Amino acid sequence: GEDVEQSLFLSVREGDSSVINCTYTDSSSTYLYWYKQEPGAGLQLLTYIFSNMDMKQDQRLTVLLNKKDKHLSLRIADTQTGDSAIYFCAARGDDKIIFGKGTRLHILP
Amino acid sequence: GAVVSQHPSWVICKSGTSVKIECRSLDFQATTMFWYRQFPKQSLMLMATSNEGSKATYEQGVEKDKFLINHASLTLSTLTVTSAHPEDSSFYICSARSGRGQLYGYTFGSGTRLTVV
Repeated sequence: GEDVEQSLFLSVREGDSSVINCTYTDSSSTYLYWYKQEPGAGLQLLTYIFSNMDMKQDQRLTVLLNKKDKHLSLRIADTQTGDSAIYFCAARGDDKIIFGKGTRLHILP
Repeated sequence: GAVVSQHPSWVICKSGTSVKIECRSLDFQATTMFWYRQFPKQSLMLMATSNEGSKATYEQGVEKDKFLINHASLTLSTLTVTSAHPEDSSFYICSARSGRGQLYGYTFGSGTRLTVV
């Protein structure tokens, strides 16, 4: 079955760019998502990309998809303290969504 | 690695009946389990958080008498949709959290699609 992997921790200085990486195994995944979870809150959908796209930009967020390598990344430009959260990568094939374990983004002053 | 098994993956039921969804952590003890609901083309919405052996904490707007959550052991949580109606049709996902403090990780089930007819 589908497996989604992402690193557990990332530390970035305020103002720098954050890049969170994710790999998945099922090449038939049609949608790929990035979710954000702030402390004590539920998941918030940040952005998603269709599998036939290779890039999507939305304000400070840029998603890159390398379908050949099954690699997805989320770039947050000008990282701010409010970006401190856990970021989940997820892949959807058919009716199932498989999530990664989440990357905890820590912002350094 | 940590695995969460969610069952069933899809279910169709008649209006007025109850449906139980199970979420099991297969190789770790889940201190906390979360239940989410996702409507088409929308984000996941947290419904409730349950800690083993205690009552679930429901998010605002979620009817606790309608969505019964039981977390009787460290490896099993169940969500029962009681007296289901067509508007309860949705995609339900559980998530289990292992460990404590800053080192905990989340593992998600693969979801259950509920269709109420």
